[in-house]
Amino acid sequence: EAGVTQFPSHSVIEKGQTVTLRCDPISGHDNLYWYRRVMGKEIKFLLHFVKESKQDESGMPNNRFLAERTGGTYSTLKVQPAELEDSGVYFCASSQDPLRENRETQYFGPGTRLLVL
Amino acid sequence: SQKIEQNSEALNIQEGKTATLTCNYTNYSPAYLQWYRQDPGRGPVFLLLIRENEKEKRKERLKVTFDTTLKQSLFHITASQPADSATYLCALDEGYSSASKIIFGSGTRLSIRP
Repeated sequence: EAGVTQFPSHSVIEKGQTVTLRCDPISGHDNLYWYRRVMGKEIKFLLHFVKESKQDESGMPNNRFLAERTGGTYSTLKVQPAELEDSGVYFCASSQDPLRENRETQYFGPGTRLLVL
Repeated sequence: SQKIEQNSEALNIQEGKTATLTCNYTNYSPAYLQWYRQDPGRGPVFLLLIRENEKEKRKERLKVTFDTTLKQSLFHITASQPADSATYLCALDEGYSSASKIIFGSGTRLSIRP
């Protein structure tokens, strides 16, 4: 079974440009999460989709960040315009049906390393 | 304020010994506590989950304890091996919904020397 995949693996852009990150969750996983780790800090939650709906977007830093999950499959996270402080590693994770009896673990992708110059 | 603290940034121990990592939290009431392993350039990998009503959970050479009174979890790796070298992350899940966000600690970098 394929794991969570993210594209690109690395991105270097200039301040003011736009970048779009993509996440493909494990097939059949309704829950999709975005997290971010900035330099020297812990991994922090950005938002959570259940299928195509945003369940919790309390971690989104500001309105320069836009996440979508059209059709409830893959998701994109767009940063526009990018600022220096947006540099970091962006992780995507997915998990299965929340109605299962056991608390479902989250499976993480390898991350996208974003550097804004 | 809410905080998750992992005992040290780095821990260096001899192969074969037991590694013990500590996770303390304040101003959280987690329903679940999880431990993840992260290798350089990769995403976190789930290891163990323990519920608030469980005291201890084991999986092969791993053992996790959860003390909600002390607000602390201990993560043990017995008979440690160089392949266990990685960063280990403590993560809380307050369990408000059946699937919710994880709150991570900053991690402890564990090195096992041969």
